[in-house]
This record gives sequence, structure tokens and C-alpha cells, in this order.
Amino acid sequence: EAGVAQSPRYKIIEKRQSVAFWCNPISGHATLYWYQQILGQGPKLLIQFQNNGVVDDSQLPKDRFSAERLKGVDSTLKIQPAKLEDSAVYLCASSLESGRPLHFGNGTRLTVT
Amino acid sequence: AQSVTQLGSHVSVSEGALVLLRCNYSSSVPPYLFWYVQYPNQGLQLLLKYTSAATLVKGINGFEAEFKKSETSFHLTKPSAHMSDAAEYFCAVSKTNDYKLSFGDGTTVTVRA
Repeated sequence: EAGVAQSPRYKIIEKRQSVAFWCNPISGHATLYWYQQILGQGPKLLIQFQNNGVVDDSQLPKDRFSAERLKGVDSTLKIQPAKLEDSAVYLCASSLESGRPLHFGNGTRLTVT
Repeated sequence: AQSVTQLGSHVSVSEGALVLLRCNYSSSVPPYLFWYVQYPNQGLQLLLKYTSAATLVKGINGFEAEFKKSETSFHLTKPSAHMSDAAEYFCAVSKTNDYKLSFGDGTTVTVRA
């Protein structure tokens, strides 16, 4: 089966600019997650979707981050405006349903200068 | 809230030597525990998981981990390191079955020829 697809792989922007990341989960996977992985740290959950509804966004900095999963398939994560501390790898993961193992994409590495 | 602590951010082993990566957890309820591996510029891959069945869990690539409730530990071992084991390893915990993962900060393994 095809894995979780993410794009772009790399992105460099200046602070205060906007950026968007895209994720295409494994076909049929109802649950989708976005994680932020800062260098030297483990991934931190930003948001969890079940189909096109948000299950948990308690760790999402909502003043600058937003995410959507229209039609319950693809998802986009947006940062506006970006700060230096947003430099990280953004990982998307999906699972068949909540309570099933996660499958991770290769991530998008964001550098904010 | 559950969390994990990985002892040692870097481990260096000789090829053929034992690999031992330490993970301690804190959880108010019996947890699910996981080990993931991340190769450079890739997403996370599940090595093994503990879900309250057998305390000794065998995973892929010759790795295994033992759940010790008395020590609140879930250390990862491999009897004989291979060059291909060079990667970053993450311990993670979730509540019983929601797979909402909290990760440790990771341990980078280097293998010396």
C-alpha cells in the first residue's frame, strides 16, 4: 500500500511569512495526526482529526497555526505568521481508526530565518 | 498525564555488541508503550509495542523490550548491533487504547565498525 505522502519535503521562509504543508494519508485511514518535531526533541502532537472533525487540538498554537481536513481525506497545516521557533519537522501520520497503529510520512522540514 | 524519559541522548556501540536503550515512563493508568525508529530524513517506523499482554515484547529487526512495572521501565535491547541500526530511537506512551502518543526526546545510536 502507498504510504503517507507529505509535501513539500523542505521549506525555507523568513519570519512573519506564511507557509502551508500538505498531507495525503493512507487510503481508507480515518484518523490523521500532525506532529511537530523540533531538533533534539521527540514529536509533539499538534492536532488529531477523525474523518473531517477535530478530535484534539489542545496543543495547537491557534493564534498562528491552523489545520483542516476537508472531505476527511487530505489535510493542510498552515502557519501564519511564522516565527523562528517554528523551525522544525512537521510529521503527518494516519491510522485506520483511533486506537490503531500510526503510519508516519517522511515529514516537511521547515526552516524559518 | 503520561510521559516518558529516555536516559542518554546518544549511545555508541561497536558492531556486534549489545544495544541497550533506556526508557522510563510515568503514567497514572496502565499504559501502552512503544518504541519507534527514525532513519535520517524519514518518518517514524514502529519497532514494537506493549499493550498489557506479554511483558517481553519482540519487534522487528531483532529488537525486543521488557515491560517492568516495578521499575516503570520499558528498555529496548538488541543482542548484536548492525551498522544498519544507526538511527534515532524514540520511546512513546499512550493511554490504554487511544494511540495518542507522547514521545521521549530520543536516543541517537551510532554503530562503530
